[in-house]
Amino acid sequence: GAVVSQHPSRVICKSGTSVKIECRSLDFQATTMFWYRQFPKQSLMLMATSNEGSKATYEQGVEKDKFLINHASLTLSTLTVTSAHPEDSSFYICSATGPGTSGGRPSETQYFGPGTRLLVL
Amino acid sequence: QKEVEQNSGPLSVPEGAIASLNCTYSDRGSQSFFWYRQYSGKSPELIMFIYSNGDKEDGRFTAQLNKASQYVSLLIRDSQPSDSATYLCAVRGAGSYQLTFGKGTKLSVIP
Repeated sequence: GAVVSQHPSRVICKSGTSVKIECRSLDFQATTMFWYRQFPKQSLMLMATSNEGSKATYEQGVEKDKFLINHASLTLSTLTVTSAHPEDSSFYICSATGPGTSGGRPSETQYFGPGTRLLVL
Repeated sequence: QKEVEQNSGPLSVPEGAIASLNCTYSDRGSQSFFWYRQYSGKSPELIMFIYSNGDKEDGRFTAQLNKASQYVSLLIRDSQPSDSATYLCAVRGAGSYQLTFGKGTKLSVIP
């Protein structure tokens, strides 16, 4: 249980275009989803936290108009990178938490999607 | 600011040995503690969680928590080359649903 998927797994786009990344919880309802970015050989950097039906909370330094997050249902959150530039190239990973996850784990346990590797040319 | 500190490594151990990974945290009110493993180019996967002082064992893995010292560790017994990865310590602070991640310790198990 507690499977999170992401789509696409890899995307290459031209500078100036927008890219949408989907994050889905497959077997549980995700009350909260998180979006992270990871540059090579660096740690996870939290970009934003989103709760179903409400606006995302962005971390300091993350442009909310550039990284649009929508959490329209309990199983789906999307991240749209608008007007992408080469410096946005990174590994984007979502995670999800929610009630009813298996094994008696704390409800704040984060389950990660497989990640999306974005390359902006 | 809540901080989670890990030795970046790399930590090298021979196959079959015990690998010991350490983590300290700054928020004394922290309540839940997690260890994730991340292989190169992949996303993190949960190994263990712990929220009570003492030891918790799961197969070859043992998590140890000492809240008085604000210290949590992960022991890997009978280390295998497949254990070679970066291990991330994550902590949930009081009053927050977010996890604060350390920068990770890179472990190399030498055959």
